[in-house]
Amino acid sequence: NAGVTQTPKFQVLKTGQSMTLQCAQDMNHNSMYWYRQDPGMGLRLIYYSASEGTTDKGEVPNGYNVSRLNKREFSLRLESAAPSQTSVYFCASSEFGSPLHFGNGTRLTVT
Amino acid sequence: AQTVTQSQPEMSVQEAETVTLSCTYDTSESNYYLFWYKQPPSRQMILVIRQEAYKQQNATENRFSVNFQKAAKSFSLKISDSQLGDTAMYFCAFVSGTYKYIFGTGTRLKVLA
Repeated sequence: NAGVTQTPKFQVLKTGQSMTLQCAQDMNHNSMYWYRQDPGMGLRLIYYSASEGTTDKGEVPNGYNVSRLNKREFSLRLESAAPSQTSVYFCASSEFGSPLHFGNGTRLTVT
Repeated sequence: AQTVTQSQPEMSVQEAETVTLSCTYDTSESNYYLFWYKQPPSRQMILVIRQEAYKQQNATENRFSVNFQKAAKSFSLKISDSQLGDTAMYFCAFVSGTYKYIFGTGTRLKVLA
């Protein structure tokens, strides 16, 4: 009964380093999402994948790339981390119109 | 662009009282879905309630109910008999045929003993 699993839970990077956030869901959902949450800004959509084989930009895609590896997995990559990317990152999945199911989040700090 | 606006950054309510959180949205589409999520300090995102735009009847879930005004593009959340465990951030969210789930900036609710 895992739902949406995100790894890692915490990460500290130096400016310019790269990393990949992993996300997997076991609910057979077609759509997957990456959000970032900053104080006072709510959840902002970075990228999403409406179905396997498609990805689209959200509200704040700059500095990020994504890969929909298969129906279960959707990764988020930071190629050259910047302090402005310090945030809490959430992965989510759903079927259209149904509620989003969220992972537990990744707290990323870029120094 | 579709937007969701929560105009109340913070609210407080006495235990056992009723509180209403506001949400407005902007869209040109006729078929969409609206949600309220709760985020306690644990950071977990918890669904509170869901509303389908084509249904005129307001959704209810126990102590939680919504006032959905489609013409006014308003979707407020009413919490009755507030409990200390209701203390959390509350987010309003919207999705239409673009598949993008858009969130408001949140309302921090504090329930006072």
